[in-house]
Formats: sequence, C-alpha cells, structure tokens
Amino acid sequence: DAGVTQSPTHLIKTRGQQVTLRCSPKSGHDTVSWYQQALGQGPQFIFQYYEEEERQRGNFPDRFSGHQFPNYSSELNVNALLLGDSALYLCASSLASGNANYGYTFGSGTRLTVV
Amino acid sequence: GNSVTQMEGPVTLSEEAFLTINCTYTATGYPSLFWYVQYPGEGLQLLLKATKADDKGSNKGFEATYRKETTSFHLEKGSVQVSDSAVYFCALSYSSASKIIFGSGTRLSIRP
Repeated sequence: DAGVTQSPTHLIKTRGQQVTLRCSPKSGHDTVSWYQQALGQGPQFIFQYYEEEERQRGNFPDRFSGHQFPNYSSELNVNALLLGDSALYLCASSLASGNANYGYTFGSGTRLTVV
Repeated sequence: GNSVTQMEGPVTLSEEAFLTINCTYTATGYPSLFWYVQYPGEGLQLLLKATKADDKGSNKGFEATYRKETTSFHLEKGSVQVSDSAVYFCALSYSSASKIIFGSGTRLSIRP
C-alpha cells in the first residue's frame, strides 16, 4: 500500500518564477494538507483541501494556491517566487471522517531552492 | 492561540544514556498530542501519540504521557542508540480535519 507520494523531490527555481508541486495521498485518504518547513524550523501549515475545495488556510500570502483533483491528488502552486520561499514542502494526507487517532501520513517532501 | 514549545537543541548524548525532550503546549479543549521524527533528508514519521489526558504513547522504546495539569508531553527513552539521531517534533491537532501545530524541533545527536 503506497503512502504519500510527492514530486519532484528536488527543484531549483529563479526568483520571480512560478512552481507547481504535486502530491498523491495515501490510498483511502481524502484530505490533503500542505506544510512549509524552512531550514531548522518546524513545519508551518499552508492550507488543506477536501472535496476539491480549500477548507482551511494558514498565514500564507495569495501567491500560494492549490488544487485538489477528483482522485484526491493535489497540487501546490507558488507564484512570483522569493528567496524566502526556499524550504521543504511537505504534503500530508488524512481521512476527514476520522479523528486524530488515525493521524496523518506525510510524504518525504519536495526541496525547493529559489536562487 | 494554540502553540507548542519544545526544548531547544541540539541535544548530544552518549549511547545508552537516558533521554528527555521537554514539550509544553497551549491549547483550548482537548487536542491530541504527537511526537514526530525526521531523519536526515526525509519527511516526517509519526513516532507516538496520545489522545486524552493521562494517556501514554509509546513506540520503539520512546514514551510520552499526556499531562493536562502541566500541559506537557515530554518525550523519554531509557537507553538511546546512535540510530535515534534525528530531529524530533512535538505537535498537537484536534482531528484529521484540522491542521497540525508543530514545535520548532529538537535535534538529537547520539555519540557511539
């Protein structure tokens, strides 16, 4: 049973460019959340998607947007990249009808470097 | 708002030493509490969890007890190994439909 799959694993972009990161959730999960982990910091919540809609959003600017597809996979888009967007981006999937007992499953992340 | 505070690292210990990583939280209601571990170059793995007061989570020799009276969830292990070297994150959440709030992480290094 595959866990959470993220692609690509590494990415280098130039300031001002746009980037798209992808996530396939664990089989049976219907909710996808995205986190940004800057170097030496804990992950910060970006947003969560359920039933193809953004359900919750953290304190991130509108340059960060996302999408969820009917198969529950998700994309994270970042426009007008800044050097400060360099981070590990983590995707986590879960089952909306569950409680925290069931927990979340994290992917291995996409390392984004903005130069 | 809700938050998690954990002891700053790095923490360096010798193999077979006793480990404690402190974690306290601020939250309304009754969140579930977690410890996640991140090995070099990898994502997050759930280490253990506790869902209500006085619950003890345990896994791979690690333990943590949900203490509501002190709003704490300290991580302990009786005898650490070199393979335990990683970054440990304390976290809280209310459900699979809500976000996870993480502490800033504690880097643990174990000397042979």
